[in-house]
Amino acid sequence: NAGVTQTPKFQVLKTGQSMTLQCAQDMNHEYMSWYRQDPGMGLRLIHYSVGAGITDQGEVPNGYNVSRSTTEDFPLRLLSAAPSQTSVYFCASRGLGTGNTIYFGEGSWLTVV
Amino acid sequence: KQEVTQIPAALSVPEGENLVLNCSFTDSAIYNLQWFRQDPGKGLTSLLLIQSSQREQTSGRLNASLDKSSGRSTLYIAASQPGDSATYLCAVRPENNDMRFGAGTRLTVKP
Repeated sequence: NAGVTQTPKFQVLKTGQSMTLQCAQDMNHEYMSWYRQDPGMGLRLIHYSVGAGITDQGEVPNGYNVSRSTTEDFPLRLLSAAPSQTSVYFCASRGLGTGNTIYFGEGSWLTVV
Repeated sequence: KQEVTQIPAALSVPEGENLVLNCSFTDSAIYNLQWFRQDPGKGLTSLLLIQSSQREQTSGRLNASLDKSSGRSTLYIAASQPGDSATYLCAVRPENNDMRFGAGTRLTVKP
């Protein structure tokens, strides 16, 4: 069972470069989201989507873009990378009901130099 | 704004000990609370989900309780094993917002 798949696992970017983190899920979940995890802090929500064609901002959206053209895929784009975006990024998905467990990908380690 | 706090930040215990991890949250208007396990370099794995109407959930050696009115949850691990060593995170799903995570408790169980 694939679950939530993220790529790449590791990436080093130079300041100002752009890149896309890919996320795909095979559980037919309506809800998908991106979080970042920084040392000593909990996960913080960047963007989320409740279905194809619908996206919204989370707690820390600046510098990131998302789109949701299909139920399965939810890519995260860094428009112009900054050192402050050095972090671990997690994609997650769940059903829309209040009792649904959320499933996470393995994470993408991003370093911006 | 919902805040989630986990105490202690780190805990080291000898194998076999029973232990309790604590999670507190500031707003009781939640749909549910989840406990997760995170191993180094890995994603989060859901351990237990407690609905707002429930008081506790059990899975094997794990028992999680929820007291919504006081904004507290505990994760009880019985007969700890070295394989339980990981970071444990709790997260609440507020009624009007997305999930909020605590910073986690890093647990080390010594053989």
